[in-house]
Amino acid sequence: GENVEQHPSTLSVQEGDSAVIKCTYSDSASNYFPWYKQELGKGPQLIIDIRSNVGEKKDQRIAVTLNKTAKHFSLHITETQPEDSAVYFCAASIYSGGGADGLTFGKGTHLIIQP
Amino acid sequence: NAGVTQTPKFQVLKTGQSMTLQCAQDMNHEYMSWYRQDPGMGLRLIHYSVGAGITDQGEVPNGYNVSRSTTEDFPLRLLSAAPSQTSVYFCASSPGHSYGNQPQHFGDGTRLSIL
Repeated sequence: GENVEQHPSTLSVQEGDSAVIKCTYSDSASNYFPWYKQELGKGPQLIIDIRSNVGEKKDQRIAVTLNKTAKHFSLHITETQPEDSAVYFCAASIYSGGGADGLTFGKGTHLIIQP
Repeated sequence: NAGVTQTPKFQVLKTGQSMTLQCAQDMNHEYMSWYRQDPGMGLRLIHYSVGAGITDQGEVPNGYNVSRSTTEDFPLRLLSAAPSQTSVYFCASSPGHSYGNQPQHFGDGTRLSIL
């Protein structure tokens, strides 16, 4: 089955700097790559996603890049703010158009924004 | 619009006891799923459902049962609780025919301790 590796497990950056979280996946058939943000005591919330026919996607300060050849994708957060402090999860899934293919999650990155 | 609602938020059980974790969504989503989250392990899929009357196993189904009698509700049952089932449990839902290919909407979790 699919295996998703996420690095780093903890990332501390100064407020205003950029943060990058990287994930690799094992199954070349994976074609959907979402990123979730989880705040303390809450459930994960989707912040951005990308599909395999796209190399990059941006939404204000957040961007995701996908390299299908290398089987890795990354989350980029620019101009970090205190409210960006949270745990971030990447995930990968295979959509075959028929059944319920699964989301496989990375183990998470604890992002800490230092004031 | 409440989204995905999980009850209870906290629960302590003794080994061998049974209980049901409730999950309800008001978005008319076809897909619903249950994950468990353990420290350093990310989220792992327990069971999922592609619609009323249809359920299937995920990555870690042992010790858990589910049923889907309505579109709105997807309860998770622990028949005989074990300490290894101490975890935070999240329910999620999504529209469409392949939950892994659509944004997942998560509840805020049930924190379960088995003594």
